Amino acid sequence: QVQLQESGPGLVKPSETLSLTCAVSGYSIGSGYYWGWIRQPPGKGLEWIGHVYHSGSTYYNPSLKSRVAISLDTSKNQFSLKLSSVTAADTAVYYCARPLGDYVRVWFDPWGQGTLVTVSS
Amino acid sequence: EIVLTQSPATLSLFPGERATLSCRASQSVSIYLAWYQQKPGQAPRLLIHDASNRATGIPARFSGSGSGTDFTLTISSLEPEDFAVYYCQQRSNWSTFGQGTRLEIK
Repeated sequence: QVQLQESGPGLVKPSETLSLTCAVSGYSIGSGYYWGWIRQPPGKGLEWIGHVYHSGSTYYNPSLKSRVAISLDTSKNQFSLKLSSVTAADTAVYYCARPLGDYVRVWFDPWGQGTLVTVSS
Repeated sequence: EIVLTQSPATLSLFPGERATLSCRASQSVSIYLAWYQQKPGQAPRLLIHDASNRATGIPARFSGSGSGTDFTLTISSLEPEDFAVYYCQQRSNWSTFGQGTRLEIK
């Protein structure tokens, strides 16, 4: 059974880079599947950020593409999210999840428990 | 961007009643629609993918239908644990989510 767990700083200053990691257990991420990130601002809906294929190919939300980087670390069986030049609008609960499907046509199962990141000075 | 509009925003029902939740897409998404359940303080959980396919471990009281622009999630007889927020998500053109329907106990 695949399980995912997010980790990273809960507070990031405006204009800095948000960095999160998702540790995966129950599956070797270099063997297959996509691995991705979704966020949810407090009290609001869900926004797909992007995902990475086990080969390293990446797919990003066009609205965030200029600021996002998702990468794999197969030696640690984890993947990472970096979001640069953050503002208060990037304050959200960030979820890692496993996309299923093809390329950008995916649904998400399972999800990590989520981690709240607040952007504030 | 494909916009998903969910209705109603809030649905108040008694346990044992039938719940019908709607998701309408701004353009056709074929059958590429999923439904998720989210309880307070928890991550979303996949219920249905590709309009009508129940995810592993999801009870049979949950069913999905529709194609094109109009989709429905039906819960045949509400259990106490079903009261939550439900989101739809399309995967036809990138990925977007609806704003959610809150299902509350009457």
